[in-house]
Amino acid sequence: AQSVAQPEDQVNVAEGNPLTVKCTYSVSGNPYLFWYVQYPNRGLQFLLKYITGDNLVKGSYGFEAEFNKSQTSFHLKKPSALVSDSALYFCAARMNTGFQKLVFGTGTRLLVSP
Amino acid sequence: NAGVTQTPKFQVLKTGQSMTLQCAQDMNHNSMYWYRQDPGMGLRLIYYSASEGTTDKGEVPNGYNVSRLNKREFSLRLESAAPSQTSVYFCASSESRVGPNQPQHFGDGTRLSIL
Repeated sequence: AQSVAQPEDQVNVAEGNPLTVKCTYSVSGNPYLFWYVQYPNRGLQFLLKYITGDNLVKGSYGFEAEFNKSQTSFHLKKPSALVSDSALYFCAARMNTGFQKLVFGTGTRLLVSP
Repeated sequence: NAGVTQTPKFQVLKTGQSMTLQCAQDMNHNSMYWYRQDPGMGLRLIYYSASEGTTDKGEVPNGYNVSRLNKREFSLRLESAAPSQTSVYFCASSESRVGPNQPQHFGDGTRLSIL
């Protein structure tokens, strides 16, 4: 069965420092991987996706993610965190054949302190 | 662009009452989804509609029914609400005809409390 794990419930980082939010996946075959962000009382917003090709994917708001097939990981990164990046982040995976549903991780809350 | 619109935004029900959550999208997407979000559990798929005229069960369909009314609208019905259905419900849509790599677009949710 497909699964996505986000091992950290919360990540704390100071403004200006680099941030990493971790994600590992278990999906048969080659996966499509996504990161979404959720602000309070809002729906999820798409940040970036990995389909194929370059292992470093760039997305919205200066975020990027690194795909590592051998470690089955897709960690979200940003070189310099902003207080406004504080939100709930979800990793999701989908198989790349047929109509497959998204499987979400449990989410990681990012708190960026001034 | 409105994107995905969900109504109502908040609702309180008593156990045993019924209710329909409405969802509409204006992006001409062919696939639509209903999720519930509970603390520590991420998003879990209740039902989805791959295309107009089809619906399928997701991970947690018990206690729910859905209707894909037309291409734009996908409703979720609770026939006899139970406290375990207290949650935040999200509707989403995606354009899956071009492949499974298209992101889903989410509404802002319906916060449902069942007493």
